Amino acid sequence: DAGVIQSPRHEVTEMGQEVTLRCKPISGHDYLFWYRQTMMRGLELLIYFNNNVPIDDSGMPEDRFSAKMPNASFSTLKIQPSEPRDSAVYFCASSLSAGGQETQYFGPGTRLLVL
Amino acid sequence: AQKVTQAQTEISVVEKEDVTLDCVYETRDTTYYLFWYKQPPSGELVFLIRRNSFDEQNEISGRYSWNFQKSTSSFNFTITASQVVDSAVYFCALKGGGGKLIFGQGTELSVKP
Repeated sequence: DAGVIQSPRHEVTEMGQEVTLRCKPISGHDYLFWYRQTMMRGLELLIYFNNNVPIDDSGMPEDRFSAKMPNASFSTLKIQPSEPRDSAVYFCASSLSAGGQETQYFGPGTRLLVL
Repeated sequence: AQKVTQAQTEISVVEKEDVTLDCVYETRDTTYYLFWYKQPPSGELVFLIRRNSFDEQNEISGRYSWNFQKSTSSFNFTITASQVVDSAVYFCALKGGGGKLIFGQGTELSVKP
């Protein structure tokens, strides 16, 4: 079975540009999560969706970040305008539910570098 | 507040040595779940194990074993007869009633031939 798919795997852009990260969750999973990993802050949850509806976006750093899930098989995380401090690895994960017993399965990540 | 502490930032061992990665957690939830993930140099996060707070049985999977002790709020991970392929960053994580997964800072394990 296909796991979580993310694209692109690597992205290099210049400050001020718009960046769009994409994610396809595991088929049948109702929950989708976006995480960011940096050396300073480790792995932190940005936002998660249930049945395509955003449930908790308290981790989104600022208004420059936005996330959408137009359907059960696709989500985007957009940064506009991007800044050098946004450089990080962005992971998407999915699970059958948000309940404690459910495991979140992660995609391979998108390594973003903003110059 | 929930918190996961992995006090060992880096560990270096020689192949075939046993190594234990420590994980200490804090939570006020009576029901919670603990996880270990592996992040190899290629960067992906690989799920290794999940335990719930009601099950303190230790678990063994091949060379991997996990020791869960509620009395000390610890969920330690041991690799027996380590191999070079075990070199990775290992994350311990906690999930309580709120559903959010809280990660520790990770332990970077280097296994040298």
